[in-house]
Amino acid sequence: QKEVEQDPGPLSVPEGAIVSLNCTYSNSAFQYFMWYRQYSRKGPELLMYTYSSGNKEDGRFTAQVDKSSKYISLFIRDSQPSDSATYLCAMTGETSGSRLTFGEGTQLTVNP
Amino acid sequence: NAGVTQTPKFQVLKTGQSMTLQCAQDMNHNSMYWYRQDPGMGLRLIYYSASEGTTDKGEVPNGYNVSRLNKREFSLRLESAAPSQTSVYFCASNSVVGDTQYFGPGTRLTVL
Repeated sequence: QKEVEQDPGPLSVPEGAIVSLNCTYSNSAFQYFMWYRQYSRKGPELLMYTYSSGNKEDGRFTAQVDKSSKYISLFIRDSQPSDSATYLCAMTGETSGSRLTFGEGTQLTVNP
Repeated sequence: NAGVTQTPKFQVLKTGQSMTLQCAQDMNHNSMYWYRQDPGMGLRLIYYSASEGTTDKGEVPNGYNVSRLNKREFSLRLESAAPSQTSVYFCASNSVVGDTQYFGPGTRLTVL
């Protein structure tokens, strides 16, 4: 069983929709949680970063962490065609130092 | 400030050939990483270097060697390439525990 599980999709939504992307994990030592966005044929780029449980908002993006359920989410409001990309969750904890464990990634397409 | 750079961008090898992938960062980061990304497998850590002069195996180190040449540069070597090493290779770097990793643009490698 993978330490981090993420539905690979693909997920296709109309422009303006609210998108929900999720990951579950099994390692209770994880306490730093990140979402990366990866456009086709490019390297991953950091989108959101949260420490421990709670919510964090940045423009149209909201990241949620529920450590009790070992569940993290990324919400995209008013989705745009430019949001079409693969979204990867990543996480790390004290025991792994700065090594990240990644989810498989969810491929998202926002249709105009 | 170029961030993380990788060379080459593309490479085609024949089975048994060797090559070295180069990575450099100009952010004065201590830690550097090599990943491979395959469909359905996500990003998998090959090797990492927590600081200059140290290297450690990641999840999939077999068939690879690394050298942390100095604080800026971290190279990945394939001594005898195999078709199973066909993949996209990403280099990344970061500074402190829990800090996000910054990725290079990737090297697309095909082994025939």
